[in-house]
Amino acid sequence: EIVLTQSPATLSLSPGERATLSCRASQSVSSYLAWYQQKPGQAPRLLIYDASNRATGIPARFSGFGSGTDFTLTIRRLEPEDFAVYYCQQRSNFLTFGGGTKVEIK
Amino acid sequence: DVQLVQSGAEVKKPGESLKISCKGSGYNFVNSGIGWVRQMPGKGLEWVAVIHPGDSETRYSPSFQGQVTISVDKSITTAYLQWRSLKASDTAIYYCARQGVAGLFDYWGQGTLVTVSS
Repeated sequence: EIVLTQSPATLSLSPGERATLSCRASQSVSSYLAWYQQKPGQAPRLLIYDASNRATGIPARFSGFGSGTDFTLTIRRLEPEDFAVYYCQQRSNFLTFGGGTKVEIK
Repeated sequence: DVQLVQSGAEVKKPGESLKISCKGSGYNFVNSGIGWVRQMPGKGLEWVAVIHPGDSETRYSPSFQGQVTISVDKSITTAYLQWRSLKASDTAIYYCARQGVAGLFDYWGQGTLVTVSS
């Protein structure tokens, strides 16, 4: 099973700042990596698929990068609605999720 | 609009059986897979299983193989997740989601809270 490790576990930032989240895979997943956002009491929402493609309706301040085993999600300037938990997911071999990064208001 | 509407919250005792549902609408149901994802209280997301309604092909996470059964009824555009004998550790929110772009979960249901307690 491919294990995804996300870091940091918590990111404390202020609105307007840049957020950089990391996801590392235990073996190569090529570019088959996605990112989801989950707010309290809500279902997750797909943000990025295949490492760098924004899903429909996702603002341009969200961007993804990476291939193989190392991936990043960048939120260019945090808006108040961006404070949430972010999960990465791979589809190279079955499906697995990372443990999540919580982006909280500093 | 694509919608996935899940059945309501359940409270069960250990050893009981359960089947929860997820009704899809607003798209061609047989053309997209449906998956289930577990979220235990205060924890992260875990993929459980997926089914393709077109041919009923299923795939299970190794962690859930043998523990649950995924099924579908195309005639009423509904997917199911079933347990034969619940355990307290099955307590969680279960989300269904459509496999859309790149085989990923692009639309999600609202979640079904399953509580297993004696």
